[in-house]
Amino acid sequence: AQSVTQLDSQVPVFEEAPVELRCNYSSSVSVYLFWYVQYPNQGLQLLLKYLSGSTLVKGINGFEAEFNKSQTSFHLRKPSVHISDTAEYFCAVSGGATNKLIFGTGTLLAVQP
Amino acid sequence: EAGVTQFPSHSVIEKGQTVTLRCDPISGHDNLYWYRRVMGKEIKFLLHFVKESKQDESGMPNNRFLAERTGGTYSTLKVQPAELEDSGVYFCASSRDLLQGTEAFFGQGTRLTVV
Repeated sequence: AQSVTQLDSQVPVFEEAPVELRCNYSSSVSVYLFWYVQYPNQGLQLLLKYLSGSTLVKGINGFEAEFNKSQTSFHLRKPSVHISDTAEYFCAVSGGATNKLIFGTGTLLAVQP
Repeated sequence: EAGVTQFPSHSVIEKGQTVTLRCDPISGHDNLYWYRRVMGKEIKFLLHFVKESKQDESGMPNNRFLAERTGGTYSTLKVQPAELEDSGVYFCASSRDLLQGTEAFFGQGTRLTVV
């Protein structure tokens, strides 16, 4: 069975500071990892994904994530956040024939001026 | 290209009533998924259609939930009768194919409140 853990339900950070949102996964098969973002009053939008190859994945809006197989982690980072990055971020894993996503509980990133 | 559209955006109903949620996927996307997020918890998979066929309905909570996708285009999710624990945000997503890692595009969700 697959599962995803996002330990931080909320991460407050000041504008222009770096941020890391943590994600750990559990899977007995090959995994495909995703980060989605939900801005207020909008649907989920794909930030980035890891399928294979380079463990450092770059996404939209300056975000990147690093796949670490030994630590079963896929943490999301941004070197300098903006107020507009305030949103809820979801880590997810997929696998199997249907490509259904298994999500974590989400992390609310609150960027303060 | 229009995105995934869900109707209504909000619904407030009384316990015991019936509610039908609708999802219009991106044109040409054979795969359609329903997910639900109960407040404070993770987004959970409900079921997956390929065209009009249900491929995986392992996440459907019970037989009060009925999903259909007649003609392989839009889908409906009916809850009858609704219970308090059905409250949450229902998301629909669609994707073009089942290649691993194919992006699923999500709608804005329907916020269902059962009182």
